[in-house]
Amino acid sequence: AQSVTQLDSQVPVFEEAPVELRCNYSSSVSVYLFWYVQYPNQGLQLLLKYLSGSTLVKSINGFEAEFNKSQTSFHLRKPSVHISDTAEYFCAVSEPGAGSYQLTFGKGTKLSVIP
Amino acid sequence: DAGVTQSPTHLIKTRGQQVTLRCSPISGHKSVSWYQQVLGQGPQFIFQYYEKEERGRGNFPDRFSARQFPNYSSELNVNALLLGDSALYLCASSLDRSPGNTIYFGEGSWLTVV
Repeated sequence: AQSVTQLDSQVPVFEEAPVELRCNYSSSVSVYLFWYVQYPNQGLQLLLKYLSGSTLVKSINGFEAEFNKSQTSFHLRKPSVHISDTAEYFCAVSEPGAGSYQLTFGKGTKLSVIP
Repeated sequence: DAGVTQSPTHLIKTRGQQVTLRCSPISGHKSVSWYQQVLGQGPQFIFQYYEKEERGRGNFPDRFSARQFPNYSSELNVNALLLGDSALYLCASSLDRSPGNTIYFGEGSWLTVV
């Protein structure tokens, strides 16, 4: 069975500072990896995903994540955060060929950007 | 284009009652999934429906059931409500059930059981 561990439940960071949100997964097969963002009182929005190919994937708003198979990690980074990045971030995994499209989520990391 | 829409947005039920939550997927999407998000936790997979058939089920008791209609909308039913069923219930849609497709989530239905 697959599982996702987000090592930090809360991450405070000053505006314009860099941030890394950590995600490790456990699976016996190859996986697809996702980062979703949840703003207060809203649903989840896809930030970026890794399916295959280049291990570095980027979002349109400056976030990037790198798939590291040997370390089973998919950490999310941004070189300079804005107040508007304050939200909860969820790492998720799914298995190709599983027959159903089931996402397994981590417990989330709350990013608080301090002015 | 409208995104995934869910109703009601908030509701309060008493223990033992039954609840029905509704979801309309993005136009053209044939797959609908349901997730439960308890406060402080990540969403947990409940069901996936594709072409009106159940294609996947998470580790939830039989009190939870769902169905998908010919127009691809879906309902989630929970019987004999427990306090622990209090959560945000998220509906998600995707084009089909390919694992690489983007899943789009609605804003959820907040259920409080008292």
